[in-house]
Amino acid sequence: AQSVTQPDIHITVSEGASLELRCNYSYGATPYLFWYVQSPGQGLQLLLKYFSGDTLVQGIKGFEAEFKRSQSSFNLRKPSVHWSDAAEYFCAVGPREYGNKLVFGAGTILRVKS
Amino acid sequence: EPEVTQTPSHQVTQMGQEVILRCVPISNHLYFYWYRQILGQKVEFLVSFYNNEISEKSEIFDDQFSVERPDGSNFTLKIRSTKLEDSAMYFCASSLGENTEAFFGQGTRLTVV
Repeated sequence: AQSVTQPDIHITVSEGASLELRCNYSYGATPYLFWYVQSPGQGLQLLLKYFSGDTLVQGIKGFEAEFKRSQSSFNLRKPSVHWSDAAEYFCAVGPREYGNKLVFGAGTILRVKS
Repeated sequence: EPEVTQTPSHQVTQMGQEVILRCVPISNHLYFYWYRQILGQKVEFLVSFYNNEISEKSEIFDDQFSVERPDGSNFTLKIRSTKLEDSAMYFCASSLGENTEAFFGQGTRLTVV
């Protein structure tokens, strides 16, 4: 069965520091890959997606993610975190034959210290 | 920017009552979805809907659940006889195509008492 693992439940970083959120998936083939962000009281906003092609994908708000097939990983990065990035981040995968039947990870809560 | 809209934002209902959660997907989207997130657990896929019929559903989506697109703009999730374990945040989403990104609404928090 497909699964997504986000090993870090909470991460705290200082404002201006770099960020990496980890995501590993278990899937029979290369799925579609997504990162969503949820701020308090808000819905799930798509940060970026990987369907095919360049394994380094750029998203909104200065985020990027790198797909590594050999490691079944899709880690999210940002070079310099802003206080407004504090939120919960979800990695999700979807099968290529039906991309939007998404399987989500448990989420990582990001706290930003000033 | 177009967005998916869900109403109400919070609903409290008594166990055994029927509840309808409403969603207005993005206007030119063709695929519609419901997900739920029980407090402290992962976001889970419930159902997808295309061309006025269910295209995929999870094992969670049993006979207590139904979906409908009653008109050209709304997409609803009905729970016939709510149970305590139905308490969750329910997210509606829509996408233009089957393999294009889904856009999510802000969610409806359902509390069954």
